[in-house]
Amino acid sequence: DAGVIQSPRHEVTEMGQEVTLRCKPISGHNSLFWYRQTMMRGLELLIYFNNNVPIDDSGMPEDRFSAKMPNASFSTLKIQPSEPRDSAVYFCASGPRGLRGEKLFFGSGTQLSVL
Amino acid sequence: DAKTTQPPSMDCAEGRAANLPCNHSTISGNEYVYWYRQIHSQGPQYIIHGLKNNETNEMASLIITEDRKSSTLILPHATLRDTAVYYCIVRVDDNYGQNFVFGPGTRLSVLP
Repeated sequence: DAGVIQSPRHEVTEMGQEVTLRCKPISGHNSLFWYRQTMMRGLELLIYFNNNVPIDDSGMPEDRFSAKMPNASFSTLKIQPSEPRDSAVYFCASGPRGLRGEKLFFGSGTQLSVL
Repeated sequence: DAKTTQPPSMDCAEGRAANLPCNHSTISGNEYVYWYRQIHSQGPQYIIHGLKNNETNEMASLIITEDRKSSTLILPHATLRDTAVYYCIVRVDDNYGQNFVFGPGTRLSVLP
């Protein structure tokens, strides 16, 4: 299995532009999480899905952020318009439904720089 | 909000056991204790988890106190590659899925 795949690995954009981050979870996993990591705030949970349905988006910082999961094998996180303070590493993670607990598997992240 | 408290940093000599503590005094009966680590800029990596009983796998051991209010992650023979931030998380596992909330963790430095 290739693991959780995120693209792009690096994104540099200018303030005001739209940014779309992509995630392909591990096949068979039905939970998907988006996180943002900065030095100041650490690892923040933005939103998570269960069976493609958004369960909790209370971590999404503002209306400029939106996330979708149109099917079990794909999710996007969109920022429109982007701002310099959105610069961070964005991680996607997926998890199976196990009988005892649920392990998360993380992607390699997308390093976003908004100039 | 994270429901756990961990020391911000610890040092450990290479080859010795690293014992990382975690306090979770408000843990509920159906909440699991999870441990993850993050090496440099990589995504966090699952280490181990447990509910009541102590657990061991190829990476580490997890010791949970009888009252479940605290736990200790043990890396039996720490190597330089174990230098990372270690996160202790508690969460309920149910049919709806529950969020994983990471706190600041413990930065473990394994020294040669």
